[in-house]
Amino acid sequence: AQSVTQLGSHVSVSEGALVLLRCNYSSSVPPYLFWYVQYPNQGLQLLLKYTTGATLVKGINGFEAEFKKSETSFHLTKPSAHMSDAAEYFCAVSDLKNDMRFGAGTRLTVKP
Amino acid sequence: DAGVIQSPRHEVTEMGQEVTLRCKPISGHDYLFWYRQTMMRGLELLIYFNNNVPIDDSGMPEDRFSAKMPNASFSTLKIQPSEPRDSAVYFCASSLGQGTDTQYFGPGTRLTVL
Repeated sequence: AQSVTQLGSHVSVSEGALVLLRCNYSSSVPPYLFWYVQYPNQGLQLLLKYTTGATLVKGINGFEAEFKKSETSFHLTKPSAHMSDAAEYFCAVSDLKNDMRFGAGTRLTVKP
Repeated sequence: DAGVIQSPRHEVTEMGQEVTLRCKPISGHDYLFWYRQTMMRGLELLIYFNNNVPIDDSGMPEDRFSAKMPNASFSTLKIQPSEPRDSAVYFCASSLGQGTDTQYFGPGTRLTVL
């Protein structure tokens, strides 16, 4: 069965600092990987996804993630945090046959 | 497109009452998902439909929960009778397909059972 593990339920960074949110996955078949963001009192929205091809995926709002098969990881990064990035971030894994499985989420706080 | 529409946005009810949550997916999407989000358990998939047919309801917690999709543009999630532990935010999402396709989430219904 597929699953994802997000390391760190809370991450705090200063404005302008690097954002790194960690995600490791488990899948018996080639996975499709996603990062979603949830702002307060809203539903989840897609940041980026990896399906096939280039392992470095760029998403909205300056975020990117790299699929590393050897490390079974799909960490999310942003070079410079902005106050508006404060939200909860969810990593998710899927394949062609199964439904999407979400991680527990990481709450990102950005300090001025 | 207006996106996924859920109603009501907030629901407060008393234990034992019936609660019905509603969802209108994005037109043309063949898949519809119901999720529950709580602090303790995170985001849980309850059930999903493909072309109005329930495919996997293994996440439905108990027989008190039921979901229907009578047509491509409408789905309901019903809890009868409701209990305080059902308090959560319930999300509906839709997608064109599975696998690589993005799920589009509605704004959620915040349910409080007193």
